[in-house]
Amino acid sequence: EAGVAQSPRYKIIEKRQSVAFWCNPISGHATLYWYQQILGQGPKLLIQFQNNGVVDDSQLPKDRFSAERLKGVDSTLKIQPAKLEDSAVYLCASSFPGGSPDTQYFGPGTRLTVL
Amino acid sequence: QKEVEQDPGPLSVPEGAIVSLNCTYSNSAFQYFMWYRQYSRKGPELLMYTYSSGNKEDGRFTAQVDKSSKYISLFIRDSQPSDSATYLCAIRSNTGKLIFGQGTTLQVKP
Repeated sequence: EAGVAQSPRYKIIEKRQSVAFWCNPISGHATLYWYQQILGQGPKLLIQFQNNGVVDDSQLPKDRFSAERLKGVDSTLKIQPAKLEDSAVYLCASSFPGGSPDTQYFGPGTRLTVL
Repeated sequence: QKEVEQDPGPLSVPEGAIVSLNCTYSNSAFQYFMWYRQYSRKGPELLMYTYSSGNKEDGRFTAQVDKSSKYISLFIRDSQPSDSATYLCAIRSNTGKLIFGQGTTLQVKP
């Protein structure tokens, strides 16, 4: 079974530029999550989708971050404009709802450096 | 106060040692307590989870939850160099959201 795919793996941009990350979840997984992991910290949930609907985006900085999940499969996370403090690893995870608990499977992440 | 607190370490032990990793949490409503392992430049992977209070054992790993003191522990017996990684505790909300601790970096020296 293929895992969660993310691209690009690494990205370096200047502050105030925009950037987009892509995630392809495990086939059949209806729930998709984007986490931000700053160096030395645990992942923090940015947004959770159930199919193509948003379940939780309470910690998404909506003035600069946006995410979509068209057709309930792939997802993109965008930052526009980027700030220095956005330097982090952006992790995508997916799960098949219904388990007790439903296990989240993480991708390798996209490492973003904002200069 | 953070919802989940975890000592970041780093923790360095000799091969074969017993390792104890710990977290505290603040919200008593949570029922699922998870431990994830994260190798360098990889995503976290679920190691094991515990529902409510009690112990759960899986090979060399034991997870323990004490809900009365809001304390989560992971014990690793006969630690191996391959156990060197960052260990993240997490609590799971009713919507499936995971709230992670800071992570403890463990190094097991041969």
